[in-house]
Amino acid sequence: AQSVTQPDIHITVSEGASLELRCNYSYGATPYLFWYVQSPGQGLQLLLKYFSGDTLVQGIKGFEAEFKRSQSSFNLRKPSVHWSDAAEYFCAVGGGNTPLVFGKGTRLSVIA
Amino acid sequence: DTGVSQDPRHKITKRGQNVTFRCDPISEHNRLYWYRQTLGQGPEFLTYFQNEAQLEKSRLLSDRFSAERPKGSFSTLEIQRTEQGDSAMYLCASSDSGRAITGELFFGEGSRLTVL
Repeated sequence: AQSVTQPDIHITVSEGASLELRCNYSYGATPYLFWYVQSPGQGLQLLLKYFSGDTLVQGIKGFEAEFKRSQSSFNLRKPSVHWSDAAEYFCAVGGGNTPLVFGKGTRLSVIA
Repeated sequence: DTGVSQDPRHKITKRGQNVTFRCDPISEHNRLYWYRQTLGQGPEFLTYFQNEAQLEKSRLLSDRFSAERPKGSFSTLEIQRTEQGDSAMYLCASSDSGRAITGELFFGEGSRLTVL
């Protein structure tokens, strides 16, 4: 069965610092991998996705993620965090017509 | 494009009562999904429709839960004989078939259910 693990429940970073959110997945075939963001009072929004090809994918709001098959990981990164990035981040796995399976999320806090 | 809208945004009910949530997807999106999110958890898949056909249901969707999408547009999720464990945020998402395969779902803000 497919599953997603986000090891960090809560991360706090200073504004302007770099960010890396971890995601490990379990999937029998070639995975489609996604990162979604959920800001307070808003619906989940797709940040980026990986299907195949270049293992480093760029997303919206300056985020990027790297797919590492050998480590079953798809970590999300941002070189310089802004206060508006404070939100809940969800990694998800799916494929074709398989509904997305989400991790438990990582809550990001940004301090001045 | 007004986005996915859900109604009501918040529902408080007593145990044993029935509740119904409505989701209006983005127009022309033929796929509609229901997810449930509890505190400290990610969204959990419940069911999805393509047009009016319900294509998949999770084992989380007990017989007290029923979802419909009668004309392939809006959808309703009904919970009968609510239990305290049903307290959660119920999320609706829509997509077209092509985008759904690529994982791009458009989520509403959710309907929060509190069962007393």
